Amino acid sequence: DTAVSQTPKYLVTQMGNDKSIKCEQNLGHDTMYWYKQDSKKFLKIMFSYNNKELIINETVPNRFSPKSPDKAHLNLHINSLELGDSAVYFCASSWDRLSYEQYFGPGTRLTVT
Amino acid sequence: QQQVKQSPQSLIVQKGGISIINCAYENTAFDYFPWYQQFPGKGPALLIAIRPDVSEKKEGRFTISFNKSAKQFSLHIMDSQPGDSATYFCAARGTGANNLFFGTGTRLTVIP
Repeated sequence: DTAVSQTPKYLVTQMGNDKSIKCEQNLGHDTMYWYKQDSKKFLKIMFSYNNKELIINETVPNRFSPKSPDKAHLNLHINSLELGDSAVYFCASSWDRLSYEQYFGPGTRLTVT
Repeated sequence: QQQVKQSPQSLIVQKGGISIINCAYENTAFDYFPWYQQFPGKGPALLIAIRPDVSEKKEGRFTISFNKSAKQFSLHIMDSQPGDSATYFCAARGTGANNLFFGTGTRLTVIP
């Protein structure tokens, strides 16, 4: 009964490939997020959806495209992967867009070779 | 531009000692200041949070001290234990679309 789950946990792929990461939350939350954490542990917000509507779209290359089929799911598709995309990607959710308590998934470690 | 500045980047403390992590901000519109704890291989998790009208909040061995006039806040971990070894992030809640601004993280190592 994991609260926020992500698949896969590890993803190793070559430059130029397209890959997706899936996220699901069973907490009934309205808001979901994608974060990127680099090797220095910096946490950077990428996207946020509130009830399937995109509300945050930070300066992220348009090779990254989020999709929220329903409010319990937020997937991240990445086209034409580059070496610099290597990082840990975290999905998170919160009750609403104002909540300071965000529940994070276990992360997906993406390695681009 | 980093909205919340955090220091130190890393910290090594002996078991039983006090760990202190400091954060500073500029935006006076921030209205909640949470701390997150991240263990290796896991996602961050909320540890403790404080409102700006409160000067101190304590939960077990963890205390947040808040100085509104200086726009600074800090996390104190009393009687630090090896199990506290983790990366700690301070954060601040804003009112715009991006509601949570994270500090750069502090890697704490508690030596037995």
